[in-house]
Amino acid sequence: AQKITQTQPGMFVQEKEAVTLDCTYDTSDPSYGLFWYKQPSSGEMIFLIYQGSYDQQNATEGRYSLNFQKARKSANLVISASQLGDSAMYFCAMRDLRGSARQLTFGSGTQLTVLP
Amino acid sequence: DTGVSQNPRHKITKRGQNVTFRCDPISEHNRLYWYRQTLGQGPEFLTYFQNEAQLEKSRLLSDRFSAERPKGSFSTLEIQRTEQGDSAMYLCASSLELYTDTQYFGPGTRLTVL
Repeated sequence: AQKITQTQPGMFVQEKEAVTLDCTYDTSDPSYGLFWYKQPSSGEMIFLIYQGSYDQQNATEGRYSLNFQKARKSANLVISASQLGDSAMYFCAMRDLRGSARQLTFGSGTQLTVLP
Repeated sequence: DTGVSQNPRHKITKRGQNVTFRCDPISEHNRLYWYRQTLGQGPEFLTYFQNEAQLEKSRLLSDRFSAERPKGSFSTLEIQRTEQGDSAMYLCASSLELYTDTQYFGPGTRLTVL
């Protein structure tokens, strides 16, 4: 079984500063994918970034980067130069890449508030 | 390039009534997923289609829930005899069968059962 743990229910960051959102995971699958989604108050889940378990380099996507530490089973999201529009709920998720199961397993999320 | 759409966006119903939600995936995506999200939690998987075949169902999907994707395009999720515990956001996602299989979500349908 897969499990995602996000230990920060809420985080605050000053506008233009960088922030790290923590995510640890547990799985016995050797091949898996890690995803981060943003959910604004409107409710839509917006895909941000993907990291595969066999990827050699940490994923980056614009202001988003993923600090992937496989041995520690952590996949922290780093947002650089925070903007007011970054205020939202952020979810870490994972899924097995080789098995037949296709569903994502989500963490409980971190509510990020960017302060002006 | 249109994203995933869901209708209705909000639904208020009385306990015991039946409700049906619709999801239109991104046009070229062959996989479609339904999730349920309650307040303060991450989404929980309900069911998954590849084309028109329903390949996986969560134990969360009781016999009051049924989902279809008749022509491999849009999907419907029906809840019969709604209960107050069914109040939640119902999210639909779609993906294209590739290695990362990234799922793209719609705006969700918020169900309130009175």
